Amino acid sequence: DGGITQSPKYLFRKEGQNVTLSCEQNLNHDAMYWYRQDPGQGLRLIYYSQIVNDFQKGDIAEGYSVSREKKESFPLTVTSAQKNPTAFYLCASSIQNSHLEQFFGPGTRLTVL
Amino acid sequence: QQQVKQSPQSLIVQKGGISIINCAYENTAFDYFPWYQQFPGKGPALLIAIRPDVSEKKEGRFTISFNKSAKQFSLHIMDSQPGDSATYFCAAKGRGSTLGRLYFGRGTQLTVWP
Repeated sequence: DGGITQSPKYLFRKEGQNVTLSCEQNLNHDAMYWYRQDPGQGLRLIYYSQIVNDFQKGDIAEGYSVSREKKESFPLTVTSAQKNPTAFYLCASSIQNSHLEQFFGPGTRLTVL
Repeated sequence: QQQVKQSPQSLIVQKGGISIINCAYENTAFDYFPWYQQFPGKGPALLIAIRPDVSEKKEGRFTISFNKSAKQFSLHIMDSQPGDSATYFCAAKGRGSTLGRLYFGRGTQLTVWP
């Protein structure tokens, strides 16, 4: 089955630790995105990548980092510099950034203790 | 600055009723307006979308109404069912390096009572 996988579904970390969230897609999509979802805040764009080895900051990139070494993978690192990292993180992809439909993964709920 | 404003934040409708969710935008360069549906613990999925050259688009029980002059668009769910209970997000997208991405509203949590 083609789709987007995110792992793990739930993640717990101690304050001050960096943590990396996985996102893999087998849809052969060029563009990939990371969103953060908080209650009542909608979906806020963290980073996006239109092509391998290239990525751009979204609206709330501070405290996060990404890499795009392979077309199918777009991991997100939540660093200790992110002041309030507890949230639901969603990865998405689309054929190209100009393509209209984004396909979302199931999300990772990160809790920082 | 919120590019897309969505209301209400929550909505309770009786089974068989009409659910209406509204969105407004400021940037006239937006040219694509999708609605996404999200069930608890899942990622959002595209429900229906519209371009500004039409005033209405209907897919089954779901209809988008678009008012270009008012810069507003809305989602109507006819004959609402308990299975429609979910969070709905409107979004807008333009072109180019700045606007060529989705800007989401803050979401509406819809509850349909049986």
